[in-house]
Amino acid sequence: AQKITQTQPGMFVQEKEAVTLDCTYDTSDQSYGLFWYKQPSSGEMIFLIYQGSYDEQNATEGRYSLNFQKARKSANLVISASQLGDSAMYFCATRIYNQGGKLIFGQGTELSVKP
Amino acid sequence: DAMVIQNPRYQVTQFGKPVTLSCSQTLNHNVMYWYQQKSSQAPKLLFHYYDKDFNNEADTPDNFQSRRPNTSFCFLDIRSPGLGDAAMYLCATSRSRDRVYEQYFGPGTRLTVT
Repeated sequence: AQKITQTQPGMFVQEKEAVTLDCTYDTSDQSYGLFWYKQPSSGEMIFLIYQGSYDEQNATEGRYSLNFQKARKSANLVISASQLGDSAMYFCATRIYNQGGKLIFGQGTELSVKP
Repeated sequence: DAMVIQNPRYQVTQFGKPVTLSCSQTLNHNVMYWYQQKSSQAPKLLFHYYDKDFNNEADTPDNFQSRRPNTSFCFLDIRSPGLGDAAMYLCATSRSRDRVYEQYFGPGTRLTVT
C-alpha cells in the first residue's frame, strides 16, 4: 500500500532563507507521481509542484523545487528565499490510480517564517 | 477567476439535522472528489465521481451521501450529523484519475455541529 511520511511536524525558518521540508514515500508502483500542497490557515489546499517518477530532472516552480531521490524514495520540497506568506501547513501526497486517483497525504509539516 | 467554489464557507448545524454542502467548478473536469479533514489531520477521501459514476470509499459512513446533477456541480449530504463529523470538507476536481494530473481544491467548508 502507498504511504507518505513527513517526519517534521513543525519547522521554523528566517525570512529570506531557504528551507527544506522532508517527504519519504513507499509505493509498489513502477510509475507514480508526487505532489506538494500548501494549506494556509484559511483552509484551501494550493497545488505547488509535481514530480513524476520517470522525470529525469527535479521539478521546479518559481521559488519551489523538489529534490527527488528515487533510490531513497524521498521527495523533499525546497523553498528558496522564504517569505512571511509562506507560513502554512505543507502536505506531500501521491495519487493512487487504481483507487480513483485519490490523493494520499502525509501528516503535514507546519512551516513558520520568522521576520 | 475562481475555479472550484464551495458554499457555504462556514456551516453550523445541530446534532442530527441534515446538512448539504455544495461545490461547483468552472474547469469542466471529469472527476470531482470530496475530502474530510479533521483538525490537525491530513485530508481523507470520502468519495468521488468520475463523470456520473459514483465511487464510495470503503470506510465512508453511510451517513454521508453525494449527488452530481451535472458536470459543474457536486453536493455532499450529511443525513444525521454527529459531533464527530465536525471538520473541514474539501471539494477537489481533476481532469482525470491519472496520476500525472494535479487536483484543484476549493476553499473548503468548515462544518460545526452543535
